[in-house]
Amino acid sequence: GENVEQHPSTLSVQEGDSAVIKCTYSDSASNYFPWYKQELGKRPQLIIDIRSNVGEKKDQRIAVTLNKTAKHFSLHITETQPEDSAVYFCAAPIEGGSQGNLIFGKGTKLSVKP
Amino acid sequence: NAGVTQTPKFQVLKTGQSMTLQCAQDMNHEYMSWYRQDPGMGLRLIHYSVGAGITDQGEVPNGYNVSRSTTEDFPLRLLSAAPSQTSVYFCASRVLAGVTGELFFGEGSRLTVL
Repeated sequence: GENVEQHPSTLSVQEGDSAVIKCTYSDSASNYFPWYKQELGKRPQLIIDIRSNVGEKKDQRIAVTLNKTAKHFSLHITETQPEDSAVYFCAAPIEGGSQGNLIFGKGTKLSVKP
Repeated sequence: NAGVTQTPKFQVLKTGQSMTLQCAQDMNHEYMSWYRQDPGMGLRLIHYSVGAGITDQGEVPNGYNVSRSTTEDFPLRLLSAAPSQTSVYFCASRVLAGVTGELFFGEGSRLTVL
């Protein structure tokens, strides 16, 4: 079955710097890769996702890149702000996505220092 | 729309007690699921449902039961609580089953088993 590894587990940056979080997956049939943001004490919320037919997707200060050959995808946050401080989770479909179930990485706690 | 509503938000149980975590969504979503979140472990899928009357097991189903008698409701039952079930539980739904897309999470239910 699918396995998702996420690195780093913690990341501290200065405000205005960029942050990069990387995930690797094992199932070459996986075709959908979302990223969720969870603020302290809140619910996870989708911030961006990418499907396997594209290599990069951007939404303002966030972007996701996908390398299907190497089986990894990354979240890039530019010009970080204190409100970007949260735990970020990557995910990939279990069982190649036949039921739409997701397996999540263990999360990256991002701290943005003003 | 209220989205995904979970009750209770907090619960303390003694070992061996039973309880039900309630989840309701008003978005007419076909797919519903339960995840548990433990420190450093990310979100792990417990059970899921692709429609009324259909349920199936996820990654960590032992000790939990579910049912889906209506499209709106997807309760999670703990028949005999154990300290290992101390966790934060999230219910999540999506428009269509079998198709990947945004998961909408409830606010979470924090369960402590003594």
